[in-house]
Amino acid sequence: AQSVAQPEDQVNVAEGNPLTVKCTYSVSGNPYLFWYVQYPNRGLQFLLKYITGDNLVKGSYGFEAEFNKSQTSFHLKKPSALVSDSALYFCAVRGVDSNYQLIWGAGTKLIIKP
Amino acid sequence: DTAVSQTPKYLVTQMGNDKSIKCEQNLGHDTMYWYKQDSKKFLKIMFSYNNKELIINETVPNRFSPKSPDKAHLNLHINSLELGDSAVYFCASSPRVASDTQYFGPGTRLTVL
Repeated sequence: AQSVAQPEDQVNVAEGNPLTVKCTYSVSGNPYLFWYVQYPNRGLQFLLKYITGDNLVKGSYGFEAEFNKSQTSFHLKKPSALVSDSALYFCAVRGVDSNYQLIWGAGTKLIIKP
Repeated sequence: DTAVSQTPKYLVTQMGNDKSIKCEQNLGHDTMYWYKQDSKKFLKIMFSYNNKELIINETVPNRFSPKSPDKAHLNLHINSLELGDSAVYFCASSPRVASDTQYFGPGTRLTVL
């Protein structure tokens, strides 16, 4: 069965420090991997995706994510966190036989403290 | 110039009532979706339409019925509302059924009393 795991409900980081939000997945075939962000009382916004090619993907707002096939992971990273990065982050995956559905992680709340 | 819009933004109603949520996208996308986000922020796909045809219909009570009059609109009608239907409902769209990036509406917060 296809699945996505975000092992941390919440991540706390001091402003200016690097941040990592973890995501691991299980799919058949090569995965399509995504990160979305949800600010309070807003809809989700696309951040970045991995389809193929370079394992390091750069996205919006200075975020990047690294696809690691051997560890089946797609962790979201940013070198220097901003207070405005505080939000809910969702990892999602689409596999070959998912009927085009995205399988969503449970979300990780990121809190950046000044 | 809103890309994906939903109305209403808030909906408070009594158990047993019937209500509708409307969604429109002006992006020219072929595929639209309805998601439910519960109080713990879990996001669950409910339906997906491609060019007005239903392609994904997850395990959702029959009380929920999507309707797509054209590919720019996907409305959600809910009959006999129950307390457990309280959630935030998101509409989304993507260029094609196999597309990756989905564009979300602002959400409709439904509260059933």
